[in-house]
Amino acid sequence: QSVLTQPPSVSAAPGQKVTISCSGSGSNSGNNYVSWYQQLPGAAPKLLIYDNDKRPSGIPDRFSGSKSGTSATLDITGLQTGDEADYYCGTWDGSLNSWVFGGGTKLTVL
Amino acid sequence: QVHLVQSGAEVKKPGASVKVSCRASGYIFSSYSIHWVRQAPGQRLEWMGWINAGNGNTKYSQKFQGRVSITRDTSASTLYMELRSLRSEDTAVYYCARGLTYYYPNGGCDFWGQGALVTVSS
Repeated sequence: QSVLTQPPSVSAAPGQKVTISCSGSGSNSGNNYVSWYQQLPGAAPKLLIYDNDKRPSGIPDRFSGSKSGTSATLDITGLQTGDEADYYCGTWDGSLNSWVFGGGTKLTVL
Repeated sequence: QVHLVQSGAEVKKPGASVKVSCRASGYIFSSYSIHWVRQAPGQRLEWMGWINAGNGNTKYSQKFQGRVSITRDTSASTLYMELRSLRSEDTAVYYCARGLTYYYPNGGCDFWGQGALVTVSS
């Protein structure tokens, strides 16, 4: 089981909004920045959000991140079929002295 | 533009070692760090370790401590990850990824290599 908990799957229709949660503890997400990654089928992960809520250059503003306490959230608005992918949150865990990832969430755009 | 190009797929027998390379280009090699992350088939991402490409400092996941070594060749702008005493559970795609932080591995990764499949089978 993962240190960071994500829902295994979420789904929504094209054009709609979806929210993916990432729940941790004080040793990880509660005291460290969270980043989010998109992994399209058969591809390497791609950074979507870093430092909880910052978007790298080239990432559309349809993707946004936030954090409150030990929980982080990735919002995707204006869903497109090309957004179908696995999404992972990640952060540093000060107790484990290790970077940790969530179990991943599979997004289906119906 | 930033590129991380990894070595090709490998097939190894249990008990053997594998060394995966990651050649960096498009940025100042010694000004960034590199993480190594693996992903077993159908499984989540798993962090293995990190190296500061400037001073060579490393940090490893406790799970792989003693079995993994991460090194760099600054003259070739190349990083290496060696995993020893391979077992079938080590079958995975191994990724290198550029770190967002330099002195400590507590930041995420912005650019990723294409991955290298390592298959461990007798």
